[in-house]
Amino acid sequence: NAGVTQTPKFRILKIGQSMTLQCTQDMNHNYMYWYRQDPGMGLKLIYYSVGAGITDKGEVPNGYNVSRSTTEDFPLRLELAAPSQTSVYFCASSYLATTYEQYFGPGTRLTVT
Amino acid sequence: AQSVSQHNHHVILSEAASLELGCNYSYGGTVNLFWYVQYPGQHLQLLLKYFSGDPLVKGIKGFEAEFIKSKFSFNLRKPSVQWSDTAEYFCAVNVDTNAGKSTFGDGTTLTVKP
Repeated sequence: NAGVTQTPKFRILKIGQSMTLQCTQDMNHNYMYWYRQDPGMGLKLIYYSVGAGITDKGEVPNGYNVSRSTTEDFPLRLELAAPSQTSVYFCASSYLATTYEQYFGPGTRLTVT
Repeated sequence: AQSVSQHNHHVILSEAASLELGCNYSYGGTVNLFWYVQYPGQHLQLLLKYFSGDPLVKGIKGFEAEFIKSKFSFNLRKPSVQWSDTAEYFCAVNVDTNAGKSTFGDGTTLTVKP
């Protein structure tokens, strides 16, 4: 199993541009999550999904959108990028909620200038 | 909503020293607790977890953590650190009623000097 994969690894955007961060998992996990990590801070939840077709906002959803058309994929869309979105983005998945740990992708380092 | 506090932002130790990283959470109900580790250039990965039973849990690479319910704590320990333990460590908590959404602490960077 490849686990959780994310593309791209790095990206530089200009203010106002848009992009999609890709996330795919091959473990047949129902639960998927998007986090951002700012320097010196913990992970903040952006959006999550409990299954295909079901998504919900996390702690910091403004400026982002998600979709979940398949179990495997959970892309994160940034519309009108702003410098405040400069961060490292992690996708994670989990077989079930609560007692099951999350498996993380390698992250995408995004810079908005 | 729950919150997680990690008291040490950066810890520097010499090899063979003992390690204890503090983690406190705020939530009055049943919690599930995790420690994750991120080695330089690698993914976050699970170090250990607690969800019921023996409050002293053992994880990979000789790490252990003790859940003390009365203190809302889940401190991570290792009796003798190695240079390869240099990493960032995150404490996380989730509760049974919120779709597995974990709340993470701000992380502790551990540097082990050879």
